[in-house]
Amino acid sequence: SQTIHQWPATLVQPVGSPLSLECTVEGTSNPNLYWYRQAAGRGLQLLFYSVGIGQISSEVPQNLSASRPQDRQFILSSKKLLLSDSGFYLCAWSDGQGSETQYFGPGTRLLVL
Amino acid sequence: AQKITQTQPGMFVQEKEAVTLDCTYDTSDPSYGLFWYKQPSSGEMIFLIYQGSYDQQNATEGRYSLNFQKARKSANLVISASQLGDSAMYFCAMRPLNAGNNRKLIWGLGTSLAVNP
Repeated sequence: SQTIHQWPATLVQPVGSPLSLECTVEGTSNPNLYWYRQAAGRGLQLLFYSVGIGQISSEVPQNLSASRPQDRQFILSSKKLLLSDSGFYLCAWSDGQGSETQYFGPGTRLLVL
Repeated sequence: AQKITQTQPGMFVQEKEAVTLDCTYDTSDPSYGLFWYKQPSSGEMIFLIYQGSYDQQNATEGRYSLNFQKARKSANLVISASQLGDSAMYFCAMRPLNAGNNRKLIWGLGTSLAVNP
């Protein structure tokens, strides 16, 4: 069966510091991968998605970036965090077929101070 | 424009009773999929149920069923025999199915469900 991992689970970072959040998927190959952000009490905002290694589509212009160095690894980064980057970050995968149901990881809570 | 509307910010239900969470959608795509997710306080987004726009029957998954009314553009989630563990946020989402590389899910703002003992 497929599993998706995210780390760290929580993170407190000062404004202006760099960020690296990692997501890995097991039990599947060539998944579509997604990064979402959820602000407190809000719905999900798609940040990036990837249909293959090195292929990244950005949905929202911001100071975040994403990379996919390996088939089942998706990394969310920032060179300098802003206060507005605080939120709950969720990684998801889909198999690129049929309904393309997205399955989510446990998420990372980021607080920028 | 594509949009998901969940009009109930909060709902209460007594344990063991059934509850319906509303979801209406707006799309011009002829083929689309509708999804429901559960988000407990831990934060993980859990997939519950899927309905395709051309599916002839309403989807069911255990205690979850989807009351799909295409003409009304509604896709309400019905939870039967509520349990305390059903207390969570519930999100409705939609995606066009024949949109090439457009894999973007359109999300509602969610409904908070509290199950009372």
